[in-house]
Order: sequence, then C-alpha cells, then structure tokens
Amino acid sequence: EDKVVQSPLSLVVHEGDTVTLNCSYEVTNFRSLLWYKQEKKAPTFLFMLTSSGIEKKSGRLSSILDKKELSSILNITATQTGDSAIYLCAGGTSYGKLTFGQGTILTVHP
Amino acid sequence: DGGITQSPKYLFRKEGQNVTLSCEQNLNHDAMYWYRQDPGQGLRLIYYSQIVNDFQKGDIAEGYSVSREKKESFPLTVTSAQKNPTAFYLCASSKTGGNTGELFFGEGSRLTVL
Repeated sequence: EDKVVQSPLSLVVHEGDTVTLNCSYEVTNFRSLLWYKQEKKAPTFLFMLTSSGIEKKSGRLSSILDKKELSSILNITATQTGDSAIYLCAGGTSYGKLTFGQGTILTVHP
Repeated sequence: DGGITQSPKYLFRKEGQNVTLSCEQNLNHDAMYWYRQDPGQGLRLIYYSQIVNDFQKGDIAEGYSVSREKKESFPLTVTSAQKNPTAFYLCASSKTGGNTGELFFGEGSRLTVL
C-alpha cells in the first residue's frame, strides 16, 4: 500500500517566520509529488515536482524533491496570517493513483 | 465557467440508508477521484477512474460504490455498510490520470449520519 507521511502535523509560528514542511513517500511506480493548500474546502494546487533537485518557486513558497531520500520539503519565507491553512502533499503514480499525507496544519499569528 | 460541481453541499442521513453524492465536471478531464477527509486530517482515496466505464478501488473503498458511465460524471454511493460515514467528501479530476498531474477539486459534500 502506498504511503505518504507529513511532518510536523501542526505548527504555530509568528508572522515573518520561515517554516519548512516535510513530506516523505513510499509510492510504487512513483511519478510525481504534489503540494496543495487547503484553507476552507477545496484544496488549491501549489506545486508538482517530478525531477529530483530542481527547486520550484512561487513568491514566498518554494519546494524541492529528493528522489534518493523519497522526500520533499515545502518552504514558506516571511510567513503571513494568510498562510494559515492545511498543507497537503501527495504522491502520484504512473497509472494515475494519487495518495495524500495527513496534512500539516500551519497557524500564523500576527 | 469550467469546473467541478459537487452536490449536495450538506447532507444528513439516517443510519442504514444509502446516499449518493454527485460529481460533475465540464473540464473534459479523463480522470476523476473521490476522497474522504475527516476533521484535521488529510485526504484518503476511496475510488478513482482513469476512463469511462472503468474505475479502481482506493485505500478505503469498503462501504462505497461508484460508476463512470459518462466522462463528465462520477457519482459516489455511501452504503449502509460504511461503518463511519460522517465525513467531508471531495471529488477531483485531472486531465490525464496516467501521468498524474494537477488535480482540480470540487467544493466538497459534508455528510452527517444521525
């Protein structure tokens, strides 16, 4: 059975802090690693990573995949209260199955 | 506008009743998915479908059933065999499931069993 584990499960920081969220995976026929942000209902897409060692950036968010270590990290610099959300990572296979981790609940205080 | 529509948004059910959650997409996506989310937790895969008239069990398929008779539609039935059905259900689609890409999610259906 495919497995994705995220850490920490919850994190409380203050505005301006930098955070690193971790994701490890054991996925048969692994193809891609995806990150999502969930604020209320529908998760919104952040990144899809397929190649090891290549960082993807979007504003204050960045992510990188390490296929040797079967892991990925999501960095958020200069956090804002609007970054408060559940961050989900998921491992995708070559035949379309996408397995999510438990999520990291990030709370950013003013 | 293109997107995924789930209905109903809220549903109450008595124990022992089956209930069907609707999911429709007009994105012309091949792959569709059903996930369950419990409070403070991640998403767990119930069923997924890569093509019309074909679907596969996910990690927690017991007590659920699906059909994929049309490309646009992937309804989920929560049967009375599901022991703990109260949860938030999310439907998603992606353009090509075989090369797992970005999932687009619906707004979800919250099911409460009384």
